[in-house]
Amino acid sequence: QVQVVQSGAEVKKPGASVKVSCKASGYTFTGYYMHWVRQAPGQGLEWMGWINPNTGGTKYAQKFQGWVTMTRDTSISTAYMELSRLKSDDTAVYYCARGQGSIGAPCDYWGQGTLVTVSS
Amino acid sequence: SYELTQPPSVSVSPGQTASITCSGDKLGDKYACWYQQKPGQSPVLVIYEDNRRPSGIPERFSGSNSGNTATLIISGTQAMDEADYYCQAWDTSTVIFGGGTNLTVL
Repeated sequence: QVQVVQSGAEVKKPGASVKVSCKASGYTFTGYYMHWVRQAPGQGLEWMGWINPNTGGTKYAQKFQGWVTMTRDTSISTAYMELSRLKSDDTAVYYCARGQGSIGAPCDYWGQGTLVTVSS
Repeated sequence: SYELTQPPSVSVSPGQTASITCSGDKLGDKYACWYQQKPGQSPVLVIYEDNRRPSGIPERFSGSNSGNTATLIISGTQAMDEADYYCQAWDTSTVIFGGGTNLTVL
C-alpha cells in the first residue's frame, strides 16, 4: 500500500536550517510529484512547493523562493525539503504529500507531519 | 496572486446537510478538491476533480463547482464529520489552498 513516512521532530535555533525527509513506498516514486505543505499552530495549510522526482524539477511558492530547497534521492525513494534562515514564525508542522499525478492533480497521500520548532 | 476564500466556520445539526463554499475568480474553469483535517491528524482528500470521491470516502460527501464558487456538500452529516475542511485548486503550476472552514456538528 502507498505510504509516505516523514522524519522526526526537530528543534532549531533562529538562523539555522532544517532538512525534513519523506520516504515513499508502495508505488513508483518517480511517477508522482511530491508536494510540501506547512501548517503553523492553529493556522491553515500553506503550500510551499513541489518536486518532480523523475526530473528533479521544482516549483516553489513565491514566498519561499530563495529560502527553500526541495531535492530527492531516487535510489531510496526519498524527497527532502530544506528551509534555511529559520525564524520563530517558521515553527509549524511540515507535511509532504504525494500528487495524484503531475500538474493539476490533488494530493492523495499525506505524510504524518514533522513538527519543526524554532526557538532560541 | 490567486486566492480562494472560505467561511471560517459552518454549523450543522446531525443528519442535516452541510454546505461549505470556496470562492475564487473563475474557479469553475479549474478543478477544485477538498481535504478534511481532524485535530492532530494529517489532511485527507475527500473530493477531487470537483465531484469525484477517492476510494473509501463515504457517499455522503459530494461536490460541485461552477462560476466563481466550489461547494462541498455533506449529506446526513454525522458527528465524525466535525473537522476543518480546506479547498484547493491549481493556478498555472502552483497550488492554492483556501483558508479553511471549521465544521461544527451540534
